Amino acid sequence: AQSVTQLDSQVPVFEEAPVELRCNYSSSVSVYLFWYVQYPNQGLQLLLKYLSGSTLVESINGFEAEFNKSQTSFHLRKPSVHISDTAEYFCAVTHPSNTGKLIFGQGTTLQVKP
Amino acid sequence: EPEVTQTPSHQVTQMGQEVILRCVPISNHLYFYWYRQILGQKVEFLVSFYNNEISEKSEIFDDQFSVERPDGSNFTLKIRSTKLEDSAMYFCASTGKPGNTIYFGEGSWLTVV
Repeated sequence: AQSVTQLDSQVPVFEEAPVELRCNYSSSVSVYLFWYVQYPNQGLQLLLKYLSGSTLVESINGFEAEFNKSQTSFHLRKPSVHISDTAEYFCAVTHPSNTGKLIFGQGTTLQVKP
Repeated sequence: EPEVTQTPSHQVTQMGQEVILRCVPISNHLYFYWYRQILGQKVEFLVSFYNNEISEKSEIFDDQFSVERPDGSNFTLKIRSTKLEDSAMYFCASTGKPGNTIYFGEGSWLTVV
């Protein structure tokens, strides 16, 4: 069975500062990894995903995540955050051959302050 | 961009009443899901549906819950007799195949009083 741990429930950061949101997963088989973002009063939107290939994946709005198999991590980073990045961020894992269901972490609230 | 649509966006119901939450997945998708998010908690998997049958369900998805694809476009979640603890945001999602991006709807916020 897979599981996901997001170690930080809240991450406050000032605008234009770098940020890292941590995600660790547990699985006995290979997995696909995802980051979803939930803006206030909205649904879940895919931010980026790792399926295979390059371990560094990027989103269109400046976020990136690196798959580290030895450390079973998929941390999300951004070198300079904006106020508009304030949201809840969820790391999720799925197994390639199952029903495709996602197992989510607890979520991390990113609070960007001016 | 195609999207998953859900109705209603918010519903208030009395304990013991039946509730049906509706979803229209992306048209060429084959795998459908319901997830639940209790206020302040993580998103939890409820059920997956493929080829007109449930392919997997969680412990949360007990006999009070059922899903149906009554026609070629809708995918519904029914809660037969709601309890206070069913109050949550319910998300519908769909994908073309496992491993592809799973697209989520905006959610239906259910309040049981």
